[in-house]
This record gives sequence, C-alpha cells and structure tokens, in this order.
Amino acid sequence: DGGITQSPKYLFRKEGQNVTLSCEQNLNHDAMYWYRQDPGQGLRLIYYSQIVNDFQKGDIAEGYSVSREKKESFPLTVTSAQKNPTAFYLCASSENRDVNYGYTFGSGTRLTVV
Amino acid sequence: AQSVTQLDSQVPVFEEAPVELRCNYSSSVSVYLFWYVQYPNQGLQLLLKYLSGSTLVKGINGFEAEFNKSQTSFHLRKPSVHISDTAEYFCAVSAPLFSGGYNKLIFGAGTRLAVHP
Repeated sequence: DGGITQSPKYLFRKEGQNVTLSCEQNLNHDAMYWYRQDPGQGLRLIYYSQIVNDFQKGDIAEGYSVSREKKESFPLTVTSAQKNPTAFYLCASSENRDVNYGYTFGSGTRLTVV
Repeated sequence: AQSVTQLDSQVPVFEEAPVELRCNYSSSVSVYLFWYVQYPNQGLQLLLKYLSGSTLVKGINGFEAEFNKSQTSFHLRKPSVHISDTAEYFCAVSAPLFSGGYNKLIFGAGTRLAVHP
C-alpha cells in the first residue's frame, strides 16, 4: 500500500544534540511538508518542498533544517539551536501543486528532550 | 490570502447525541475546504473535502459537512456520535490555482471532540 512512513515513532534527544527525523513516501507526490504540533496549538509549518532540490521555510523554521535530494524523501534535522524541541512532528505530502486532493499524513514522530 | 477559524476549541457531547463542529474561512476567491481527524498519537486522516458542486459533502465514519458560501462556513456534523469519535478535528482551506506556482493548505487550530458515555 502507498503511504508516508515516519521513523522513529519515538525519539529522545539529549541537550545539545542534533537529531534527524525520517519521512519517506511512495505515493509519487511532488510536494512534502513538515509540521510541529504542540498541545493546544494546532499545526505549525516548519518547512515545505514543492520539488526535488528545492525547499522553503515555513512559519517556525528556526532551529530546523531539511533536504530534498530525492522525490521520496524529506528528512528533518532538529538542531541544537532549537531551544524547545519537545513536540509531535508530522510529515505530509500532496499529489500536485493545486492540493485539490488534500494532504496525506504520516503517523508522526514524538520527540522528547531528556 | 486564506485563513480558517475553528470556533470551538473543545466540544463535549454524550454518546448517541448529534454534534456540530464549526469552521469559518476567509478568502477573496473560490476555495477548497477539508476536514481532517486526528486520533491520539497518530497522523491526520482526511474525513471529507469540498472542491465544487453539491454543497453537502459526505465523508467517512458518518460525518458530513455543508459548504455555505454566504456565511463562509464549512461546519462538520454527525447525527449520532460514538465513543470512538473522540479525537481532534481540523478544518483546512486552500484556493484553486489558475496559473503557475504552488499552493498549500491552511489549517485551523483544531477542535477536540470528547464523547462521554
């Protein structure tokens, strides 16, 4: 079945460490997105990519970095510059630039700083 | 630019009662509208969408929504809820592209539906 796979499901990070969250899709979707979700704050867009080798900052990009070397993959690195990284991270993709089919979401990664 | 407002952050309801989750949008052009559901510790799942045509849209799990252009609303309804409907619900809006470029969904802040026995 086609879908989006996020890994790991749970991730623990020590202070000062960089960690990378994986997002892979086999839907042949052009666009991919990363969201951060905190309790009571809905979804906040971190980065998005409409095509391979191109990506744009979202609303809260500081302390995060991404790459889009392959159409299927859009990894997110949470750097030590992100002061409050504990959150639920969601990856999504859309079939075309018109988003008339909406987004398909992965099952999320819960990151905790220890 | 589009925006979306979910008018209730939490909605408590008893099992088998009807429920309405409210969503208003702001846009100067025609819109696409979506409702998503999120169960605890999971991703978002598409419930239903409105692109054009009939203003009453039926989705999965017995949910439906009505597009009201004059009220700029897209409220989600279910005539009889179950305990399993307890989840967070997100309304989202986008606008059709008529030329080059790309588009994104704009999400509301979410409504937490709590169904009690």
